[in-house]
Amino acid sequence: DAGVIQSPRHEVTEMGQEVTLRCKPISGHDYLFWYRQTMMRGLELLIYFNNNVPIDDSGMPEDRFSAKMPNASFSTLKIQPSEPRDSAVYFCASRGLTYEQYFGPGTRLTVT
Amino acid sequence: QQQVKQSPQSLIVQKGGISIINCAYENTAFDYFPWYQQFPGKGPALLIAIRPDVSEKKEGRFTISFNKSAKQFSLHIMDSQPGDSATYFCAARFYGGATNKLIFGTGTLLAVQP
Repeated sequence: DAGVIQSPRHEVTEMGQEVTLRCKPISGHDYLFWYRQTMMRGLELLIYFNNNVPIDDSGMPEDRFSAKMPNASFSTLKIQPSEPRDSAVYFCASRGLTYEQYFGPGTRLTVT
Repeated sequence: QQQVKQSPQSLIVQKGGISIINCAYENTAFDYFPWYQQFPGKGPALLIAIRPDVSEKKEGRFTISFNKSAKQFSLHIMDSQPGDSATYFCAARFYGGATNKLIFGTGTLLAVQP
């Protein structure tokens, strides 16, 4: 298996623009997690899905952030409008029957 | 309280030495305690994990010690090697109501000097 796939790997955008991050989980995994990593706040869970249904979105910072999982093999995290404080590395992770979460390589987002 | 407190923030160890990273928690609903290892430019990867009914788990040079009464657990890396230089995160699984998620510590940057 190729592991969790994220795209793009790097994104540079201007404040106010819409940003869409994409994730393909490991085939057969029924949990998908979106995390944000910054030096100041560490690794924060934003939202997670089980069987494509959002279960806990308490970590989503504000209404500018939204996430969808239209099917078992694809999820998006959208920021609209983006702000400089959204600059971070965004990770997607997936999980199957065990508790182990498998992380993707991350998307480094820079908002200028 | 859904927090996991991790220390130290950074650690420098000589090759062959023992690296020790500590974590503490308050919530007794946590039921699974993994450690993740992250190299620069990569996502975190599971290193070793323990359940609260076990006081110690060893896998190669890596050992988790778990003290349920003190609500503390630690990672010991024996015979530390330069290749162990990475950021280490402890975590705890919270399972309550409809939610089932990992709470991560703030991370420890380990540098093993040759």
